[in-house]
Parts: sequence; structure tokens; C-alpha cells
Amino acid sequence: EIVLTQSPGTLSLSPGERATLSCRASQSVSSSYLAWYQQKPGQAPRLLIYGASSRATGIPDRFSGSGSGTDFTLTISRLEPEDFAVYYCQQYGSSPLFGPGTKVDIK
Amino acid sequence: QVQLVQSGAEVKKPGSSVKVSCKASGGTFSSYAISWVRQAPGQGLEWMGGIIPIFGTANYAQKFQGRVTITADKSTSTAYMELSSLRSEDTAVYYCARGPFSIGRGTNYYYYYMDVWGKGTTVTVSS
Repeated sequence: EIVLTQSPGTLSLSPGERATLSCRASQSVSSSYLAWYQQKPGQAPRLLIYGASSRATGIPDRFSGSGSGTDFTLTISRLEPEDFAVYYCQQYGSSPLFGPGTKVDIK
Repeated sequence: QVQLVQSGAEVKKPGSSVKVSCKASGGTFSSYAISWVRQAPGQGLEWMGGIIPIFGTANYAQKFQGRVTITADKSTSTAYMELSSLRSEDTAVYYCARGPFSIGRGTNYYYYYMDVWGKGTTVTVSS
């Protein structure tokens, strides 16, 4: 059974800084079947990235995804105030799996 | 633009069951998968199971096998998630979400990403 690990658990940054979030799988994720979501308090998750690197509709280009195999990265090039949230990676599958999340908070 | 509208908050006794609905409006329902994802207070996201309305076949996470039933009514574009034998640990926000899928082996389907989410239904289990 695949396990997803996200690091760091919490990332403390200032607006305008670059955020680099990691998602590591215990086994290779086939065909880059990995997505990223953003969740703010009291809200449903929002799809940011699918297929490891494709931005979902309406997602600003400061969000980018990369990686393959077991190591994936979500990068936010310049943090805007509205980007402070929790980010989850998710592996596709017959039983989809979410990572534990990375909280990006204001330094 | 499709929206998923979920039923309202529920308070249940331990040992009882809860049934949450998810109605799609403004877009296609049947040709996508509908997943149910829950989030306990202060915790992460957990996929419980899903259904492909066009086929009517549901798949469940092993953790919930035997305790969760997911159904869909194509005529009303509504999906349902029923969880039985409730315990306090089932207190959570339950989300439905839509996304693409592909056909796997047998009656297993491969659930992809989830691009449209309902606002969530809070289920509280308390004696």
C-alpha cells in the first residue's frame, strides 16, 4: 500500500516569498497521477494541479507542479496573502489517497 | 458550471446511521465519478469511496467496507452516502466531489482528481 508523505508539516513564510512543498510516495506513482489541493479554514478543498504539472481551470500561474515517480513538488513562486492555507497532495487510484498536508502560514 | 449541493448538518447517536445527499446542478453528472471524502476536526482528507453514476457501481476504501453505502440516482443527479454503526470518531465534515475516472479491472474504477467539491456536511456523533 502506497503511503504519501508531505514535508514540511508547516512552512512559515512572508508574502512575496517562494514556497516549495514536497510530496513523496513510498512507491512510484504511475503516469504522474498526482494532484494538489488548497484548503482554507471552513472551506472545501480546491483543485490546483492535476497530472503532477497541469494547472486546473482558473488557477494563477504562480502555482506550478513538478515531479515524477516518487517525488513531487508544488511551488508557489510569490506568495500572495490569499495563498496562506493547507495544501494536500493526492494520488489517483482505485482507492485514492491524500497526503497529510502542509500548512503554509504567515511568518 | 456544475455545482454540488449537499444536505444539511446532522447530529446522530452512536450506533445509528446517517445518509448525506449531494445534488449536482448546472452540469454533467453521470459521466463523472462522485467521491465522498471526509475530514475529522483538525485532521486531513480521507477518501471513503465513490460511484460512477452512469454505471451505478460503487467502490469503497477498505477502512469503510461494510459500513458505508454509496448510491446515485441519475434521474435527479443526486448521489448519496450512508454510513452506519456511527461512533464518535465519525464526527467529521463529509464532502462529495466530482472528477474524471477510468475503467480498471472488473468492477474497479480508477478515480482521478476531484475538480468540483460540495461545501461539506457536518456530521456530529454524540450521545
